[in-house]
This record gives sequence, structure tokens and C-alpha cells, in this order.
Amino acid sequence: AQSVTQLDSHVSVSEGTPVLLRCNYSSSYSPSLFWYVQHPNKGLQLLLKYTSAATLVKGINGFEAEFKKSETSFHLTKPSAHMSDAAEYFCVVSPTGRRALTFGSGTRLQVQP
Amino acid sequence: DGGITQSPKYLFRKEGQNVTLSCEQNLNHDAMYWYRQDPGQGLRLIYYSQIVNDFQKGDIAEGYSVSREKKESFPLTVTSAQKNPTAFYLCASRRDQGNTIYFGEGSWLTVV
Repeated sequence: AQSVTQLDSHVSVSEGTPVLLRCNYSSSYSPSLFWYVQHPNKGLQLLLKYTSAATLVKGINGFEAEFKKSETSFHLTKPSAHMSDAAEYFCVVSPTGRRALTFGSGTRLQVQP
Repeated sequence: DGGITQSPKYLFRKEGQNVTLSCEQNLNHDAMYWYRQDPGQGLRLIYYSQIVNDFQKGDIAEGYSVSREKKESFPLTVTSAQKNPTAFYLCASRRDQGNTIYFGEGSWLTVV
């Protein structure tokens, strides 16, 4: 079985400060991991994905995430927040086999001016 | 441009009515998915289909039905048996396991 836990339901940062969104996962096998972003009333857009290559993954808009197998974590970071980063972020695990993705409950990022 | 098209964007349903949400993709993806999202919550899987003429129930399939007669189309019917259908519905697709899943823009369904 696989599961995803996003440790914070809300994160608030000031513009220009670092962003850290935390995600822990459990999976019976080496998973593929994704981060998606959702702006209000929109679909989800892929930020980045890990598929057993480099453990530090760079995505769009300056985001990156590090896969740490020993900690079963896949935290999302960005050095400097921008107002346009305010959105909902989902950590997702893709198990082996034929099942669909498992989504975390989401983290709402607020960026204060 | 390739992508996933959901329609309508907004839909209102009266009590006792069935409604169908459309999802079309021109990405040549084999797998397609329907998710439900309630305000402030994550996504829950309703149905998924790995190939044409085959589909599987997800975690919350009760009150919903789907068909997959064509590779590019995966319509979702919300039946009158679904007692609380007001939600945001997202359709998605991907080529195969491990690959990126792509989402449509979503459809809002409201019961009036």
C-alpha cells in the first residue's frame, strides 16, 4: 500500500523569503513522486517529478525537491517566494502496478507582500 | 495544441437528474482518470481506465458511471444515486505507469 502525508495544511511566507512544503510518503516499492500546483478553479499543473534518477529534482518556476529514501520524504522548496506562488500544492505518489495516483491532502501556500 | 478538454466548465443539476461531464484528450494517452475535489480537500479517485473498453472503480465510485468506447473520450455520468454531488471534477490522462499525469481544467457541478 502507499500513502502520502503533507505535514502542513497551510503555510504562510513573506514575498522574497524561502518556501518549504513538506511531504512524507510510504510505498512498498520505489515510487515515482510528483509535486503539482493548483491555482483557484483550475486544473493541476506539474511542478516536478522524481523517477529514480537524480535525488535532487528541479522543476518549473524555481521550485525543487529532494528525494530522501532514508527519511521517506520529498519536500518542495523555493529560495525566494513570489506573489504568484500563492496556490494549493499537492504531493503525489505513483505506485507500481496498475493503480492510479495517490494524492496528499494539499498545502495552501499564502505569500504576504 | 495537445491537451485535455473538459466540458461544461459549470453545470447545475436538479434533484433526481443524471448529468454527464465530458472529457476528451488528444494526447494519445491510454490511461484516463476521474477525480473529485471538495473545497479545501485533496483529490479522490472515482473511476479510471487503462485501455479502451475497460475501466475500474476508484475509491468513491458509488453514484457514478463511466464509459470508454474511444481512446480519446472518458465521460463521467453523475447519477441521481450520488447524494452529495456538488464538487469540482477533474479529468486526467497519462501515457503509462510512471509518466506524468495531465489534468483538464475541471468542471464545477452544483445541485440546485
